[in-house]
Amino acid sequence: QVQVVQSGAEVKKPGDSVKVSCKASGYTFIDYYIHWVRQAPGQGLEWMGRINPNSGGTNYAQKFLGRVTMTRDTSISTAYMELSRLRSDDTAVYYCARSFCSGTSCFENWFDPWGQGTLVTVSS
Amino acid sequence: EIVLTQSPATLSLSPGERATLSCRASQSVSSYLAWYQQKPGQAPRLLIYNASNRATGIPARFSGSGSGTDFTLTISSLEPEDFAVYYCQQRGNWPPLTFGPGTKVEIK
Repeated sequence: QVQVVQSGAEVKKPGDSVKVSCKASGYTFIDYYIHWVRQAPGQGLEWMGRINPNSGGTNYAQKFLGRVTMTRDTSISTAYMELSRLRSDDTAVYYCARSFCSGTSCFENWFDPWGQGTLVTVSS
Repeated sequence: EIVLTQSPATLSLSPGERATLSCRASQSVSSYLAWYQQKPGQAPRLLIYNASNRATGIPARFSGSGSGTDFTLTISSLEPEDFAVYYCQQRGNWPPLTFGPGTKVEIK
């Protein structure tokens, strides 16, 4: 079945970087965007950006410009999100999600399925 | 940036009752609005896209309506598994893609 599986939890110190992976299976990796969304503890959802796995092209939310880098390795059907200069308020669950398709119609900016989430804790 | 506002913040209902959730956009997003359900400890799940289309496998008791700036998610008769947090999301004007703050549907 179509799924995206993320790497495990991370604990980082302020100023560090973190790189989260998202491995796709059950579909052709390069055919669908991968988005990254984060959720701080007890809070709502925040879109960080997306990557086109075919071209490697990215779109980032203004808030994260200069700190986030999204990449992919097509040989292993895996997308990555790296966030640098971490702060305590970057503590959150980070999700990857594939763009959604219904039958033969695909929609770049709706998300389904989602990964299971990766908790990143930033603490000194 | 388009800001989405959801109301109410919390909805307290009993199983079998009808739930009506609202999402309002700060400017028109046409019909480019989706709804997601999130249960505790789980990732969100897409319920409705393009304002009124149910995603694959979503029961018919979930329906969406609206266009422009005002949207509604209706759950016709609440099942025990429907108690969760619901988020709306727009793609009408991006980046960024934005979400509403969520509505929690809790058991009364």
